[in-house]
Amino acid sequence: EDQVTQSPEALRLQEGESSSLNCSYTVSGLRGLFWYRQDPGKGPEFLFTLYSAGEEKEKERLKATLTKKESFLHITAPKPEDSATYLCAVQAGGSQGNLIFGKGTKLSVKP
Amino acid sequence: DAMVIQNPRYQVTQFGKPVTLSCSQTLNHNVMYWYQQKSSQAPKLLFHYYDKDFNNEADTPDNFQSRRPNTSFCFLDIRSPGLGDAAMYLCATSRVLGADTQYFGPGTRLTVL
Repeated sequence: EDQVTQSPEALRLQEGESSSLNCSYTVSGLRGLFWYRQDPGKGPEFLFTLYSAGEEKEKERLKATLTKKESFLHITAPKPEDSATYLCAVQAGGSQGNLIFGKGTKLSVKP
Repeated sequence: DAMVIQNPRYQVTQFGKPVTLSCSQTLNHNVMYWYQQKSSQAPKLLFHYYDKDFNNEADTPDNFQSRRPNTSFCFLDIRSPGLGDAAMYLCATSRVLGADTQYFGPGTRLTVL
């Protein structure tokens, strides 16, 4: 069964304290892995798409990487405005667009 | 700016009273999706339209229906809402099916009394 697991469930950081969020997956043929940011009461906001192992993408303080079994979202010198839930989703081979989401990592950055 | 719009943002209904949620998009995408997200849970796909072709997920209850009258609009109808249907409903779009990025609207928070 296709599955996505994110860890940790919650992460508290001090402003400037860099860290990484993990997304491990087991799918039958990965077609794409997606990272989203979700603020309370809002829809997910697209961050990155990764398609193949070894691929990396960056945006401001965020960097996403992908291996054959997992993806990491690295946050460098986070700020309080980076506080949100970060969702990882995968699309498996043979699916018709169905994204399989992890439960997310809730990040809190304290000033 | 091109975007995905959902109305209303908050909807309160009574147990068993039909309710319709609306989604519109200015991205001119071919695919529109409806997800259900309960508190502290992952979004769960209910169904999607690829143009006019409707695809229902196997475990989506019959209580949930959808309509797509044109490219820009898609509706989610809940025929007889139960207390367990209280959730955030998210609309998303993508240009094509397959490994294409899905863009989400702000969501509609449904409360069932």
